[in-house]
Amino acid sequence: QVRLQESGPGLVKPSETLSLTCTVSGDSVDSGNHNWNWIRQRPGKGLEWIGYIYYSVNTIYNPSLRSRVTISVDTSKNQFSLHLTSVTAADTAIYYCTGGTVNWFDPWGQGTLVTVSS
Amino acid sequence: VLTQSPGTLSLSPGDRATLSCRATQSVNTNYLAWYQQRPGQPPRLLIYRTSSRATGIPERFSGSGSGTDFTLTISGLEPEDFAVYYCQQYGDSQFTFGPGTKVDVK
Repeated sequence: QVRLQESGPGLVKPSETLSLTCTVSGDSVDSGNHNWNWIRQRPGKGLEWIGYIYYSVNTIYNPSLRSRVTISVDTSKNQFSLHLTSVTAADTAIYYCTGGTVNWFDPWGQGTLVTVSS
Repeated sequence: VLTQSPGTLSLSPGDRATLSCRATQSVNTNYLAWYQQRPGQPPRLLIYRTSSRATGIPERFSGSGSGTDFTLTISGLEPEDFAVYYCQQYGDSQFTFGPGTKVDVK
């Protein structure tokens, strides 16, 4: 069974870079069995797909965030990461990592709340 | 863009729930999914490829539709089904979610 767990700072200052890591168990991040995604949910709001990485090097990003987002893989730690630059209060959200294909997102991590505030 | 209706559905346990998801452009049925989100929890995959139930999802959940109109039906609401439901589609190399339908207790 594949399990995902997000980790990273819960508080980031405006204009800085948000960095999160997702640790994968039950599969290898370079297996090709899943695309590895980041999705966020602003407080009390709906879901926004951020982007995904597949085969460890290929990335697809949401056009609305593309200029600020990087998703990468660390195969030695079986992890994938999200970096979001120049954050503002609008980036305050619960960030989820997920596996998936073009047909679905599953499984999901429990999510981690990141607050952007000085 | 996906829209969902109604925004809130107030029903009683045992009722049938019908949730609508409408797209502004035609969606490939292979790329339409539904998720359930309970408070404080991540979303859970319910339905993929419009009508296929995910592993462990009860038979009371069913999906249908084509083109721009899709439906999630819950045939008899159980107490644990009161939650928010999102549709999601893939197209033009990106994913989008609907705004969600909240199913609450009448």
